[in-house]
Amino acid sequence: DSGVTQTPKHLITATGQRVTLRCSPRSGDLSVYWYQQSLDQGLQFLIQYYNGEERAKGNILERFSAQQFPDLHSELNLSSLELGDSALYFCASSTLSRGTEAFFGQGTRLTVV
Amino acid sequence: KNEVEQSPQNLTAQEGEFITINCSYSVGISALHWLQQHPGGGIVSLFMLSSGKKKHGRLIATINIQEKHSSLHITASHPRDSAVYICAVNLNRDDKIIFGKGTRLHILP
Repeated sequence: DSGVTQTPKHLITATGQRVTLRCSPRSGDLSVYWYQQSLDQGLQFLIQYYNGEERAKGNILERFSAQQFPDLHSELNLSSLELGDSALYFCASSTLSRGTEAFFGQGTRLTVV
Repeated sequence: KNEVEQSPQNLTAQEGEFITINCSYSVGISALHWLQQHPGGGIVSLFMLSSGKKKHGRLIATINIQEKHSSLHITASHPRDSAVYICAVNLNRDDKIIFGKGTRLHILP
């Protein structure tokens, strides 16, 4: 158990809908990262938050947004969902903004039908 | 050309063999990570390196900053080592993270 909790584990939704994925980091970790893993693209970095502020941005679509709350949990919002958004979404957390090991959650498997 | 290249893509070996997985990168990095992803999908961080060598049990990771190359070694491999091993780097320029495409390792009993 990495100490990082992601909910839900599985999510099935229709095209055009909006979903929210939730991540609770390890106790004491200030950084949260979001990643997408699809069959054709592999793992891709979406976005990083550190202590409530956006720290680094990767290949995150405009239809996607994220935030980190004062209690350090994070949410990834995916809207106007398309079939191609079906993927595993991972969250990871680390102590600092850079230079420290990241611990991964078990992922949320999103299926868009 | 990908900024992070792993080789081999697939590797099948007999139990007990010494395994080497390679990662080369073409960008300036602040750190390199080796991750393990099991068939169930869960990802475990194995190592984070910025220089030198680290060892954890039967796993050894090395990095050569000048040559922009890292290797992950598994000694006395076991079927439970069967997984996808992924190399990832933190970019110096903007702190983004880039992943290699992974190496699928299968250890036969």
